[in-house]
Amino acid sequence: GAGVSQSPSNKVTEKGKDVELRCDPISGHTALYWYRQSLGQGLEFLIYFQGNSAPDKSGLPSDRFSAERTGGSVSTLTIQRTQQEDSAVYLCASSLVAGGYNEQFFGPGTRLTVL
Amino acid sequence: GENVEQHPSTLSVQEGDSAVIKCTYSDSASNYFPWYKQELGKRPQLIIDIRSNVGEKKDQRIAVTLNKTAKHFSLHITETQPEDSAVYFCAATSRVGANNLFFGTGTRLTVIP
Repeated sequence: GAGVSQSPSNKVTEKGKDVELRCDPISGHTALYWYRQSLGQGLEFLIYFQGNSAPDKSGLPSDRFSAERTGGSVSTLTIQRTQQEDSAVYLCASSLVAGGYNEQFFGPGTRLTVL
Repeated sequence: GENVEQHPSTLSVQEGDSAVIKCTYSDSASNYFPWYKQELGKRPQLIIDIRSNVGEKKDQRIAVTLNKTAKHFSLHITETQPEDSAVYFCAATSRVGANNLFFGTGTRLTVIP
């Protein structure tokens, strides 16, 4: 079946611009996560959604970052007033339900470059 | 919050030799420890995981061990092959029922033919 998809695959933007990154989770998965992977670094947790519950935003690095998940499916990560340090690969993952034993399936990522 | 440290950052082995990657975690409440493999330009994929009520788990050439007392866990790859070359990430959950994983910084494994 279809895996997690993300768009765009690459995004180049100018400092100060806003960007939106999209994630389509696996159909039927109720949990959705966003991570950031900087060059040579591990995956940094940003935010996760579980069904209709309030999202866990504890990993968002600043108030310039926000995310929505509409209808319990597609999610959009928005970065306002982008800075050069925002340059990274943004990975989305989904799992059947929340709970530590459930495998997270990753999308291919969006490579964001802020000039 | 949880802090996961991973060593080494790079590892080169001859084909057929074994590779060991080690991770430590800080939160004693963590109870799930997956390992992900990320090949160049591809997405991370789960290769093996272990729960805190188990000390060791094997899957063909891959094994993971967990020492809850010392709060460390390790990935062992035996009879390495060139296709094992990738970046490997360990991860841990921070609390029971949580699902946000805290990842190590990764180990770039190179298997030399």
